[in-house]
Amino acid sequence: DAKTTQPTSMDCAEGRAANLPCNHSTISGNEYVYWYRQIHSQGPQYIIHGLKNNETNEMASLIITEDRKSSTLILPHATLRDTAVYYCIVRMDSSYKLIFGSGTRLLVRP
Amino acid sequence: GAVVSQHPSWVICKSGTSVKIECRSLDFQATTMFWYRQFPKQSLMLMATSNEGSKATYEQGVEKDKFLINHASLTLSTLTVTSAHPEDSSFYICSATRDRGPGELFFGEGSRLTVL
Repeated sequence: DAKTTQPTSMDCAEGRAANLPCNHSTISGNEYVYWYRQIHSQGPQYIIHGLKNNETNEMASLIITEDRKSSTLILPHATLRDTAVYYCIVRMDSSYKLIFGSGTRLLVRP
Repeated sequence: GAVVSQHPSWVICKSGTSVKIECRSLDFQATTMFWYRQFPKQSLMLMATSNEGSKATYEQGVEKDKFLINHASLTLSTLTVTSAHPEDSSFYICSATRDRGPGELFFGEGSRLTVL
């Protein structure tokens, strides 16, 4: 599976959009981009995933560049409860394994 | 609501004893489950893939005789930490998928093991 690179930490103000970048320059054509988050001392929570097109659900939007070498997770109106570690993971569609990197620690400030 | 449940949520045991952690898929059948371990301030590390009705596949560096995995039914996988020692103290998390193809993985709430 391709490796991902994320900033170690970020912060944003409550109510503003949080934009979390991820680089996956070695991604191959059949690999999906997944985003999970982990709030302290809990299991990871699924956020969103995509292959080529941008995706949106009730939690977030995922913007994937045309060359698929990077993506951005957007939390449109961050709340204090969005403070967590966010993991960007690349996964083949034939494999259910998720290999976690270091993630981005997002702090939402009041 | 939670679709993957772990039990116990936390456990404290004496060094040298064995501890079993259960992972259940609540409303779906999971032919494959995964076990992760997470030390404080670190990311999740995949330990093994648990396959229903067959032997688990362990990641490199994970001792299969130390961490026994049994996946006897389509809704239950167990991880037994044998002869636990303080260095085995960690947060153990399981996950399961209910879809074929690019479906999402559901994670349990995690089980915190403390070995005294």
